[in-house]
Amino acid sequence: ETGVTQSPTHLIKTRGQQVTLRCSSQSGHNTVSWYQQALGQGPQFIFQYYREEENGRGNFPPRFSGLQFPNYSSELNVNALELDDSALYLCASSQDAKRINEQFFGPGTRLTVL
Amino acid sequence: KQEVTQIPAALSVPEGENLVLNCSFTDSAIYNLQWFRQDPGKGLTSLLLIQSSQREQTSGRLNASLDKSSGRSTLYIAASQPGDSATYLCAVWGQETSGSRLTFGEGTQLTVNP
Repeated sequence: ETGVTQSPTHLIKTRGQQVTLRCSSQSGHNTVSWYQQALGQGPQFIFQYYREEENGRGNFPPRFSGLQFPNYSSELNVNALELDDSALYLCASSQDAKRINEQFFGPGTRLTVL
Repeated sequence: KQEVTQIPAALSVPEGENLVLNCSFTDSAIYNLQWFRQDPGKGLTSLLLIQSSQREQTSGRLNASLDKSSGRSTLYIAASQPGDSATYLCAVWGQETSGSRLTFGEGTQLTVNP
């Protein structure tokens, strides 16, 4: 069974640029959630995708957007990058958003905005 | 809005000690509670999941308890080892106005000294 994978591992961007982060969910999972973790803090919920539709969103501006594909992999897009967007971005997959169950996390993408 | 607090923020113990990490949450209407381990710069590893109807879960040297009515959980680690050094995060699944999601505490950074 393949776990959750994320790419790239690290990324360096400058203010104002755009970035796309990718996540492949665990086999058999149809739900992907994205979290932002600033240094020294707990992860903060960005949004969740269930069967290609957004299924809940945290307190993040519209320049954070996402997609889920038919194979349930997902992308997180961030436009007009700001310095405060520097963080570890974590993706988690779960079996079914309609049944609250265990979340499995990927290794994360470390984004640095200069 | 759900808030999760973890005490202490940091803990340093000698090898072999038994220890307790604390987690509290403000809204007792949760679906489940999950404890994670995070090594520096890495993703999250799920340790234990306690459903809202359960009181505790055990895995090896780890035991987690849940008292939903008082909004508290504890993670007990028996006979600690240097390899247990990591940040431990507590997270609760709950319903917010824009959908259900995990809300995390800020973690307890554990150091086990040989």
